[in-house]
Amino acid sequence: GQNIDQPTEMTATEGAIVQINCTYQTSGFNGLFWYQQHAGEAPTFLSYNVLDGLEEKGRFSSFLSRSKGYSYLLLKELQMKDSASYLCAVGDSGAGSYQLTFGKGTKLSVIP
Amino acid sequence: EAGVTQSPTHLIKTRGQQVTLRCSPISGHTSVYWYQQALGLGLQFLLWYDEGEERNRGNFPPRFSGRQFPNYSSELNVNALELEDSALYLCASSFDKITQYFGPGTRLTVL
Repeated sequence: GQNIDQPTEMTATEGAIVQINCTYQTSGFNGLFWYQQHAGEAPTFLSYNVLDGLEEKGRFSSFLSRSKGYSYLLLKELQMKDSASYLCAVGDSGAGSYQLTFGKGTKLSVIP
Repeated sequence: EAGVTQSPTHLIKTRGQQVTLRCSPISGHTSVYWYQQALGLGLQFLLWYDEGEERNRGNFPPRFSGRQFPNYSSELNVNALELEDSALYLCASSFDKITQYFGPGTRLTVL
């Protein structure tokens, strides 16, 4: 089975940096994903890590440590539009199937 | 390139009724996934279709079912609706069975 933990809520100031952590336990790891979901909208893909290390994409970076079952999403130069829920999801290839298991999401509020 | 589309956008039903939700994947994507997102809960995996076949299903009762058509579009059917079925139903598609791209969702309200 899978277990994914991430903080429920976080608040950060416009222009600052925020790190959203995610820990997971899974039986057949096939990558870690981060999605952004604005209220009432569908999740949009942000990043995918399958190897250890840091992946940088503009203001967003994602880190993975497979041995620790740990990932984080780093958001730099925060903007008001970054207020959203950030979903950590683990790809599971156990039993020959492929599916994503999502955490409950971290609601980020960016304040002026 | 057009994204994943879903219909209808919103739906109101009463307990015991049946509902059909529709999803069209991104062109070239053969896999379709269905998720339920109830208020305050994370996305719960419902079903995965690939190349017209059901490949995996989540921990949901048999009244949740679906199918995938030869053009890779998909339907999700829910029979004997219950109040707790009220949720946002999201469809996602993938070409590599790894990265999933989501549609806008169908918001179902069961009264």
